[in-house]
Amino acid sequence: AQSVTQLDSQVPVFEEAPVELRCNYSSSVSVYLFWYVQYPNQGLQLLLKYLSGSTLVKGINGFEAEFNKSQTSFHLRKPSVHISDTAEYFCAVTASGGSYIPTFGRGTSLIVHP
Amino acid sequence: GAGVSQSPRYKVAKRGQDVALRCDPISGHVSLFWYQQALGQGPEFLTYFQNEAQLDKSGLPSDRFFAERPEGSVSTLKIQRTQQEDSAVYLCASRAGYNEQFFGPGTRLTVL
Repeated sequence: AQSVTQLDSQVPVFEEAPVELRCNYSSSVSVYLFWYVQYPNQGLQLLLKYLSGSTLVKGINGFEAEFNKSQTSFHLRKPSVHISDTAEYFCAVTASGGSYIPTFGRGTSLIVHP
Repeated sequence: GAGVSQSPRYKVAKRGQDVALRCDPISGHVSLFWYQQALGQGPEFLTYFQNEAQLDKSGLPSDRFFAERPEGSVSTLKIQRTQQEDSAVYLCASRAGYNEQFFGPGTRLTVL
């Protein structure tokens, strides 16, 4: 079985500042990793995914994440945030093989202040 | 094309009532998932279909919860004799292959 830990429940940051949202996972097999964003009263939307290949993954809205196998991490970063980035962010892991049912973290609330 | 749709968007039920939540996945998506999302939490897996076959229902919290997808497209999640602890957002997601899921907007269920 796999698990995901999002270390920060809330991250406040000022507009145009950089941000990092942390995600650690555990799994006994190789994994696929995802970051989703959820705006109020909406479903989840994919930001980016790591399946294989380059460990640095670029996604939508200027976000990127780096897969670090030795540290079992997949931290999400953005060099300069906007007010519109205020949302809930979820990290998810899927163990390769089987039915590929993802496990989600508890989420990190990113709050961007003007 | 159209995304995943869910109806109703909001449902208020009195304790003990039965409710039915509908999910219309993206056309052609083989896999369909139901999740329960409590306030301030991540989505928790409930059940998974591949076409019309329910391959995993290990996340259903009790036998009051039942899901079906009889023709391999639209799915219904039914909750019988609702309890206050059933109050949550119920998310549906569909998937074509084995990676990215596409989520609907969710149904917010409030049990009074």
